[in-house]
Amino acid sequence: EIVLTQSPAILSLSPGERATLSCRASQSVNNAYLGWYQQKSGQAPRLLIYGTSTRATGIPDRFSGSGSGTDFTLTISRLEPEDFAVYYCQQYSSSLPNTFGQGTKLEIK
Amino acid sequence: QMQLQESGPGPVKPSGTLSLTCTVSGGSINTMKYYWGWIRQPPGKGPEWIGSVYYHGRTYLNPSLESRVAILIDTAKNQFSLNLTSMTAADTAVYYCARHGDILTGYFLNYFDSWGQGTLVTVSS
Repeated sequence: EIVLTQSPAILSLSPGERATLSCRASQSVNNAYLGWYQQKSGQAPRLLIYGTSTRATGIPDRFSGSGSGTDFTLTISRLEPEDFAVYYCQQYSSSLPNTFGQGTKLEIK
Repeated sequence: QMQLQESGPGPVKPSGTLSLTCTVSGGSINTMKYYWGWIRQPPGKGPEWIGSVYYHGRTYLNPSLESRVAILIDTAKNQFSLNLTSMTAADTAVYYCARHGDILTGYFLNYFDSWGQGTLVTVSS
C-alpha cells in the first residue's frame, strides 16, 4: 500500500498570499496518478486536480498541481477567502488500494 | 449534472451489518465510462477507499476490508449498494458514494469527480 504524507498539517496564511501544500508518497506513483481535493466542514470532498496537474471542470486557474515520482505539490497562487479548507491528496496508481493523505488544514492567519 | 445520494437505516449495533444504497440521478450507471465507488471518512481523519464496482458487476475492494465487504450494482434501479459486516466502533465514519473519473483519462480506478453528500454511520449499542 502506498502511504501519502501531507505537510504541513496546518498552514496559516492571509488572503492574497500564496499557498504551497506538499504530498509525499512512500513509493513512486505510477504515471503521476495523483489528485487533490478540497473539503469544507460538513461537505464532501471536491475534486480540484487529477493526473498531478489537470484542473477539474470549473476549478479556477489559481489552483495548480505539479510533481512526479514521490513528491507532489498543490499551489494556490493568491488565496481567496473561500479557499480556506482542508486539502487531501489521493494516489490511484495501478497498485491497489487507492489511498488518501491525512490532510492539510489551510486556515486564515 | 449527475447527482449521487446515499441512503441507509441509521445507527448500527456492534457486530451488526451496515447496508447503504447509492441512488444516481442525472445519468445512467449502465455505462462503460465509469466505475462507481464507496469511500468512508472517520471523524477528523482522511478518506479511505472501500471498494468500487463496474456496470457489469465486477468489483475491486480494499484488501483491508474485503473479507467484510460486498458491493452490488442494480442498473435497472440506477443504484449500487454497500454491505459491511461485523461492524465495530472503528467503522464509525461518514460514508460516501462517488463516481470515478472517465476511464479514458487513465487508470480505471482513478480519482472521484462526483460525490454524494455522505451519511454518518455510528456504531453503538
